[in-house]
Amino acid sequence: GENVEQHPSTLSVQEGDSAVIKCTYSDSASNYFPWYKQELGKRPQLIIDIRSNVGEKKDQRIAVTLNKTAKHFSLHITETQPEDSAVYFCAASSLDTGRRALTFGSGTRLQVQP
Amino acid sequence: EPEVTQTPSHQVTQMGQEVILRCVPISNHLYFYWYRQILGQKVEFLVSFYNNEISEKSEIFDDQFSVERPDGSNFTLKIRSTKLEDSAMYFCASTKTSGSSYNEQFFGPGTRLTVL
Repeated sequence: GENVEQHPSTLSVQEGDSAVIKCTYSDSASNYFPWYKQELGKRPQLIIDIRSNVGEKKDQRIAVTLNKTAKHFSLHITETQPEDSAVYFCAASSLDTGRRALTFGSGTRLQVQP
Repeated sequence: EPEVTQTPSHQVTQMGQEVILRCVPISNHLYFYWYRQILGQKVEFLVSFYNNEISEKSEIFDDQFSVERPDGSNFTLKIRSTKLEDSAMYFCASTKTSGSSYNEQFFGPGTRLTVL
């Protein structure tokens, strides 16, 4: 089955700095990669996703890059703000093979220091 | 904006008891999921449901678990005989379409299950 590794487990940045979170996946059939933000005690919220037919996607301060060859994808947050502080999870699934279930990474706790 | 809802928000039960967790997916969604998250750990897939039957399930989803869509709006997860290790936050999620190009999953607020 799919295995998703996520690094780092914790990340502390100063407000205004950039943050990068990296994930690798094992199943080359995976073709959908969402990123979720989870605040303490709340539900995971989808913040951005990418499909394997593109290498990069951007939405304001958030961007995701995908390297299919290396089976690696990353979340980039620019100009971080204190409200970006949360746990971020990457995930993968394979729509073509019918594996719609998301396999999540272990999460990154991002702390943005004011 | 429509959201997935779940009840109860917190369920406390004794080991060996049966619990039913309830979810109301977004109304025009077709795929439904249950995930769980043990405190401080990652979200883990349990089961998905489509067209009134289980579509996928993980090794966690053993004979103690079952799912049902008893009517046109509710989606339930039953744990027959709870164990201490079933204590976790249980999230329901739903997806709009069954097409191969779309899999954005919307999560409910979760039910925190505490087994004593």
